[in-house]
Amino acid sequence: SQTIHQWPATLVQPVGSPLSLECTVEGTSNPNLYWYRQAAGRGLQLLFYSVGIGQISSEVPQNLSASRPQDRQFILSSKKLLLSDSGFYLCAWDRPSSNEQFFGPGTRLTVL
Amino acid sequence: AQTVTQSQPEMSVQEAETVTLSCTYDTSESDYYLFWYKQPPSRQMILVIRQEAYKQQNATENRFSVNFQKAAKSFSLKISDSQLGDAAMYFCAYRSVYSGAGSYQLTFGKGTKLSVIP
Repeated sequence: SQTIHQWPATLVQPVGSPLSLECTVEGTSNPNLYWYRQAAGRGLQLLFYSVGIGQISSEVPQNLSASRPQDRQFILSSKKLLLSDSGFYLCAWDRPSSNEQFFGPGTRLTVL
Repeated sequence: AQTVTQSQPEMSVQEAETVTLSCTYDTSESDYYLFWYKQPPSRQMILVIRQEAYKQQNATENRFSVNFQKAAKSFSLKISDSQLGDAAMYFCAYRSVYSGAGSYQLTFGKGTKLSVIP
């Protein structure tokens, strides 16, 4: 069966520090991968998606970036965090032939 | 671009009673998918129910059912026999069938917080 992992589960970082959040999927190959952010009191906002290794599409301009160094690995990064980057980050995957997206457990990021 | 609107930020229901959560959406597409996701306090997103726009029959999953009105672009979720474990944030989401980029991102509403009163 397929599983999706995210780490860390929680993170507290000072403003201006770098960020690296990791997402990995097991039990499938060539998945589509997604990063969403959920700010307090809001719905989920799509940040990035990837249809293959090295292929990244950005939905929202910001100081975040994403990379996909391996087929089942998706990384969200920042060189310098802002206060507004605080939120809950969710990774998700699906198959092009499927109409269901599966979500990871999420990472709660607090920028102080 | 598609938009999804959930006009009820919060709802409450008595245990064992029925509650309906509202969702409307805007799209120019004729074929698409609609979803209801549940997010309990653990924050894990769980798929509750899905509806294909080309199907006229409303989807049902045990105590959960939808009222899909395509012409009105409305997609409400009905929870029957509410249980304490149903307390959560509920998100309505839209997904296009067609994607030139090969991926199928979801567009979410802002959510409805459901409380279940014992």
